Amino acid sequence: DQQVKQNSPSLSVQEGRISILNCDYTNSMFDYFLWYKKYPAEGPTFLISISSIKDKNEDGRFTVFLNKSAKHLSLHIVPSQPGDSAVYFCAASSRGGGADGLTFGKGTHLIIQP
Amino acid sequence: DVKVTQSSRYLVKRTGEKVFLECVQDMDHENMFWYRQDPGLGLRLIYFSYDVKMKEKGDIPEGYSVSREKKERFSLILESASTNQTSMYLCASRDNQPQHFGDGTRLSIL
Repeated sequence: DQQVKQNSPSLSVQEGRISILNCDYTNSMFDYFLWYKKYPAEGPTFLISISSIKDKNEDGRFTVFLNKSAKHLSLHIVPSQPGDSAVYFCAASSRGGGADGLTFGKGTHLIIQP
Repeated sequence: DVKVTQSSRYLVKRTGEKVFLECVQDMDHENMFWYRQDPGLGLRLIYFSYDVKMKEKGDIPEGYSVSREKKERFSLILESASTNQTSMYLCASRDNQPQHFGDGTRLSIL
């Protein structure tokens, strides 16, 4: 059973516009959420995270929103740039400071068109 | 900057071979992880370790084992490689979140 779901395998957005990537989860024990960006032949790079005690976290062009009642989070990128073209993974942890691994979604391939 | 180094970027092995994937981190992190990434499946946790000589199974440990003799080094072992273990393998480490990843080892089993 997939506990973290990214239902859009790909997303195409025009340069300068907003990119919105969505993620849903089913496990109520998840209390910490992260977004990673991955280029081909490289490891994932951490982008931004949010704890379950917050509903929004912002870092430059990147904002993550968390809706706990809907078990939904989203990553907003404004404005989108060509270098943002990559695969984005949503990940969740059930013990934010504990020694467990992350549960990942299947990823969304974001394509920024000029 | 955290550096997680995986010893090989590309590796080709034969079915039945014993395969070792090595990972070293330079930040004195307590926790280290091994994942595999497959198209359409995302990243899946194989094993993790929270201290030297300590290990925990992740979501897909079958066919794998691990070794952590020193804090900075975490090895993934394929006891008898099979073609369904052809994949991209990613190592990560952390103390607090987030995890920091290496660049991966693309392993092909022929």
